[in-house]
Amino acid sequence: GENVEQHPSTLSVQEGDSAVIKCTYSDSASNYFPWYKQELGKGPQLIIDIRSNVGEKKDQRIAVTLNKTAKHFSLHITETQPEDSAVYFCAAIYNFNKFYFGSGTKLNVKP
Amino acid sequence: GAGVSQSPRYKVAKRGQDVALRCDPISGHVSLFWYQQALGQGPEFLTYFQNEAQLDKSGLPSDRFFAERPEGSVSTLKIQRTQQEDSAVYLCASRDSTGTGIAKNIQYFGAGTRLSVL
Repeated sequence: GENVEQHPSTLSVQEGDSAVIKCTYSDSASNYFPWYKQELGKGPQLIIDIRSNVGEKKDQRIAVTLNKTAKHFSLHITETQPEDSAVYFCAAIYNFNKFYFGSGTKLNVKP
Repeated sequence: GAGVSQSPRYKVAKRGQDVALRCDPISGHVSLFWYQQALGQGPEFLTYFQNEAQLDKSGLPSDRFFAERPEGSVSTLKIQRTQQEDSAVYLCASRDSTGTGIAKNIQYFGAGTRLSVL
């Protein structure tokens, strides 16, 4: 099956700085890569996703890049705000039915 | 309701007890997923339904875990003879799966049920 590794496990940045979270995957057949944000006591919420036929996607302050050859993808958050503090999960999927999640990154944005 | 609803939010069970966790998906969503999330880890896939059919149960850790969705809407995850290693948050997600475009593949998660087995 798929194996997704995520780094770093914790990330602390100053408000206004950028944050980058990286994931690698093992199954070259994976073709869909969503990122989820999970706040304390809540379920994961999709914040951005990318398909394997696209190299980069942006949505306001967040962007995701995908390198299919190297089998890694990254989440970039610019101009971080305290409300961005949460746990972020990447995932890799082949057939849209079985999501393999990374182990999560706890982002702390210091005001 | 507007989102995926799970109940109870918290469950404490004595080792050996049976528990039942409920998931109410978003109305009209065809697909339903169960995940297990250990403390400090990402969600791990347990099982998947399309309507009432359980199409994939490869993630269920043992035969003590059983899931059903008899009418293609509400789903129940049952754990028999609970053990301490079953302590985790159990997440349910639903997905539209109809229509066109990537939006149909988005999974919407509930807040989860935190199970503690003593």
